[in-house]
Amino acid sequence: GAGVSQSPSNKVTEKGKDVELRCDPISGHTALYWYRQSLGQGLEFLIYFQGNSAPDKSGLPSDRFSAERTGGSVSTLTIQRTQQEDSAVYLCASIAGAGGSDTQYFGPGTRLTVL
Amino acid sequence: AQTVTQSQPEMSVQEAETVTLSCTYDTSESNYYLFWYKQPPSRQMILVIRQEAYKQQNATENRFSVNFQKAAKSFSLKISDSQLGDTAMYFCAFMKRDNAGNMLTFGGGTRLMVKP
Repeated sequence: GAGVSQSPSNKVTEKGKDVELRCDPISGHTALYWYRQSLGQGLEFLIYFQGNSAPDKSGLPSDRFSAERTGGSVSTLTIQRTQQEDSAVYLCASIAGAGGSDTQYFGPGTRLTVL
Repeated sequence: AQTVTQSQPEMSVQEAETVTLSCTYDTSESNYYLFWYKQPPSRQMILVIRQEAYKQQNATENRFSVNFQKAAKSFSLKISDSQLGDTAMYFCAFMKRDNAGNMLTFGGGTRLMVKP
């Protein structure tokens, strides 16, 4: 079916506001990843969901960041009380299964700008 | 922890020529995958080529091929007959291979410009 989709494509917000970023993985893909791509830090892992298992949150930079995945499909990344250093492109990727044997397919990303 | 290093922040090549992008990595793992992703201005990360560490044969995909040197922990990408559409950021990435889905560790990227 269709590839990974993300919305919105671009988001501009004011410092201190909360934002929600959405990811729709490829249909049937059981694992989903969030990455952040910023100018100073390159691409960094944020969080990983696999089926009904507890997510791997080891990459989340602070407790202002959280994510959930409803029904094993759509995922939402929430950033509370945004700061200027949160400005980045947030990328979502999905794979067909666990086992580290599949290629991650990426969405087009959401560019977040915090003013 | 793994690290991936791309030592060439920017490169350029003439159309139809061949260019090689460098990547080195550091890991204590013996079983892993290596990838090259391309990111054009559209931001979409597109898989270019992937290599399983247990395979000695270098992966190839049409005009793209890799030189995988496991002992040296080197994984370079060769683009033959460069095309204008190859202009993009290229990222080398590492992924452990085990029973858990693992995150990718990326290099800092190489910006490639193909000149007409």
